[in-house]
Amino acid sequence: QVQLVQSGGEVKKPGASVKVSCKATGYTFTTYAITWVRLAPGKGLEWMGWVSPKKGYTDYAPKFQGRVTMTADTSTTTAYMELRNLRHDDTGVYYCARGWDTATVDLDYWGQGTLVTVSS
Amino acid sequence: DIVITQSPVSLPVTPGEPASISCRSSQSLLLQSNGHDYLDWYLQKPGQSPQVLIYLATYRASGVPDRFSGSGSGTDFTLKISRVEAEDVGIYYCMQGLQTPITFGQGTRLEIK
Repeated sequence: QVQLVQSGGEVKKPGASVKVSCKATGYTFTTYAITWVRLAPGKGLEWMGWVSPKKGYTDYAPKFQGRVTMTADTSTTTAYMELRNLRHDDTGVYYCARGWDTATVDLDYWGQGTLVTVSS
Repeated sequence: DIVITQSPVSLPVTPGEPASISCRSSQSLLLQSNGHDYLDWYLQKPGQSPQVLIYLATYRASGVPDRFSGSGSGTDFTLKISRVEAEDVGIYYCMQGLQTPITFGQGTRLEIK
């Protein structure tokens, strides 16, 4: 069965970096893109960007451009999202989700979420 | 950026009654080349990750009960629940996938009366 299993919660200080992993199993990793979505406290879902494991292509939300890097390791079928220069308002739950490789459509499987807390 | 306006913010519903959520886009979500509207609906139940309900405006995702349906085209879209059940509580989001940055509606919290 398809599963996306994310790494555990993290507590970071402002200015630090965090790297969240998303291990994919149960399907051909290169057939689908991985999208990253954030849920901040009291806010709604927010798209951060996506990575195509097949092509290595990435697309980031302007809000995170310059601070985020998304990668996919086809040898371990794991996607990664690194966010740098963390701020307090980066606190939230970060999700990976599987979607079409050609468009952000039908995010049909989601990871369990990774809570990142930014606190001084 | 495409702005998605979702309403209502809160939706109290009696079990067994229908419910409807609206999303309006600041520009058409129709991709002329394939005739599809790039609008999905997601539900985030309490304590869970989001799950897809409807994709490309009208296609029910695998395993989703047929009491959920999506309609609309262009800029106006609706999610309908024919008979609300207790397990339907949570926050509903619409999401446009036509162009990046991908954007979500603000969310609709469905609660049981």
